[in-house]
Amino acid sequence: AQRVTQPEKLLSVFKGAPVELKCNYSYSGSPELFWYVQYSRQRLQLLLRHISRESIKGFTADLNKGETSFHLKKPFAQEEDSAMYYCALTNWGKLQFGAGTQVVVTP
Amino acid sequence: EAGVAQSPRYKIIEKRQSVAFWCNPISGHATLYWYQQILGQGPKLLIQFQNNGVVDDSQLPKDRFSAERLKGVDSTLKIQPAKLEDSAVYLCASSLTGDTEAFFGQGTRLTVV
Repeated sequence: AQRVTQPEKLLSVFKGAPVELKCNYSYSGSPELFWYVQYSRQRLQLLLRHISRESIKGFTADLNKGETSFHLKKPFAQEEDSAMYYCALTNWGKLQFGAGTQVVVTP
Repeated sequence: EAGVAQSPRYKIIEKRQSVAFWCNPISGHATLYWYQQILGQGPKLLIQFQNNGVVDDSQLPKDRFSAERLKGVDSTLKIQPAKLEDSAVYLCASSLTGDTEAFFGQGTRLTVV
């Protein structure tokens, strides 16, 4: 069965420090992976997807099929990055989410 | 911009009562999802529609939950009777197809007392 694991419930970092959110998955085929973000009082929205291989708001994520990971990284955290982050994968259109990581960036 | 609309935003009911949620997806989106998000957990897929047909409802508690998407546009999710453990945020999302970006509504926060 497919599964998305985010081992950290809470990540607290200082402004300007690097931040890395871990995501591991289990899936037998070739998954499509995403990071979704939810800022305070806003709706859940797509941050980035692995097939686009782009950097959004300074965040990047690389799919590592060998380690079945899709970690999200940003070299210098900003206060506006404080939010809830969800890793997700899609299997034949069925979008499945991890439990989420709360990121708190302190000045 | 026109996004996914959900109503109501909040609902408080007593256990054993019934409740219904409504979702209007983005125009032209064939795929519609209903998710349940319990506090402290990630969204859990309840049901997925492709147009007006059900693609996946394997995690829908069918003894009390039902959903429909008449005419392949709007959708309603109903709970009857509600239990305390149904307290959660119910999210609706839509996408052009199942493999494109999903756009989420603001959700309905249900409290069962």
